[in-house]
This record gives sequence, C-alpha cells and structure tokens, in this order.
Amino acid sequence: EVQLVESGGGLVQPGGSLRLTCAASGFTFSDYWMHWVRQVPGKGLVWVSRVNPDGSYTNCADSVKGRFIISRDNAKNTLYLQMNSLRAEDTAVYYCVRDLNWAVSYWGQGTLMTVSS
Amino acid sequence: QTVVTQEPSLTASPGGTVTLTCASSTGAVTSSLHANWFQQKPGQAPRALIFDTTKKHSWTPARFSGSLLGVKAALTLSRVQPEDEADYYCLLHYGGAQPWVFGGGTKLTVL
Repeated sequence: EVQLVESGGGLVQPGGSLRLTCAASGFTFSDYWMHWVRQVPGKGLVWVSRVNPDGSYTNCADSVKGRFIISRDNAKNTLYLQMNSLRAEDTAVYYCVRDLNWAVSYWGQGTLMTVSS
Repeated sequence: QTVVTQEPSLTASPGGTVTLTCASSTGAVTSSLHANWFQQKPGQAPRALIFDTTKKHSWTPARFSGSLLGVKAALTLSRVQPEDEADYYCLLHYGGAQPWVFGGGTKLTVL
C-alpha cells in the first residue's frame, strides 16, 4: 500500500525556520518525482516545489524561491522541505505528492504549518 | 503568471450529469497540458481522479470521466451521487519554472 506521511508542522514565529518531512512507503521512491503542494485552510491548492527522482534537479515557486529548499534521501525513502525566513502568508497545510509521467496519484494527509507570533 | 480557471461552484441533482471545466490563460487546453483532476472533501487530502486528460486511476469510479471540451479540459460526473459533493481541482502541467498550476477549484453541491 502506497503511503506518504508528512510530519514536522507546527507553530513557528515570523522569520523562523522549520523542516517538513514526508516518509514514503509501498513503492519504489527513487523512481518518482516528488512535489510539495500547500493549501491555506479554506482556499485552493498551490504548487510549492519539486525534485526529480535522483535529487539532482529542483525548482520552486517564485513565492518561496530563496527561502524554501526541497531535498530527498532515497536511501531513507524520505522527502524534505526546509523552510526559512517564514512569513505569515506561508501558513498552510503542506502536502507531499507523488508524480510519474503526468500522473499525479498519491497525496499525503498533510501537515499544518502556522507562522504567527 | 499563468492562471487556470474553474467554475467557482456548480449544483447537480442526484442521478444527473454535471460537467466541470478547466481553462488556461495561455490559450486552449490541449493534451500536451496533461490535465489531472482531484476531489477533496472537507478535512481530507485531495484524492486523484483523472490523469493525462482522460485516464482513470484504478480507484476512480466509472461515472467520472475526463475529456477536452472545446478549449478547456473537462471532468464529467454521470449518475451523480450525494457522496460526490466535494471540491474539485484541475491541474495543468506547464513545465519549466511553473510546472504545475492548479485551478481555483469548483465546489460541487448535490441536491
């Protein structure tokens, strides 16, 4: 059974940092592109960042460029999102998502990250 | 900045048919944008329904179908059930610096 389990969310002060983790199981993690997508409660889905299967290529949305870093550890079947210089507008539920050849198939359950003083 | 547009809300009757659409600010939606569709119910993560415009996942109910309708991507629900009440999002693949762009979502009410 495919599972994506996010963790690491919580309350952080403006300007602070946080690292989200997504533990993958039930599939060959190193075969897939992986993405982070966020959703402000009550609002729509927004793409944040992606990494290719071997971790050699990444890119991210303009709104987080220079502040967020996506990475992966294929030996641990784990995806990461390092978030720095956090702002109130980064408050959202963050989902990790699996992608292969235009097929976006599995989403994690999400982790809520709140930026507030 | 590319914008993907969906109907904000639609209403369907049980047993009826409803079509949701997905338009691109860059022009016609074609198969090269590989539309995906997702269903999201309150308090839950999105669930994938359709990929690559028309293809269904193994868990996608047969009454859901994807297509191109004129210049848009479309999701058609046939024989609508009360449990189909949810938010539906489309995703278009543009590649490059903005590889994924989601539509704003359609809130489907069944009554």
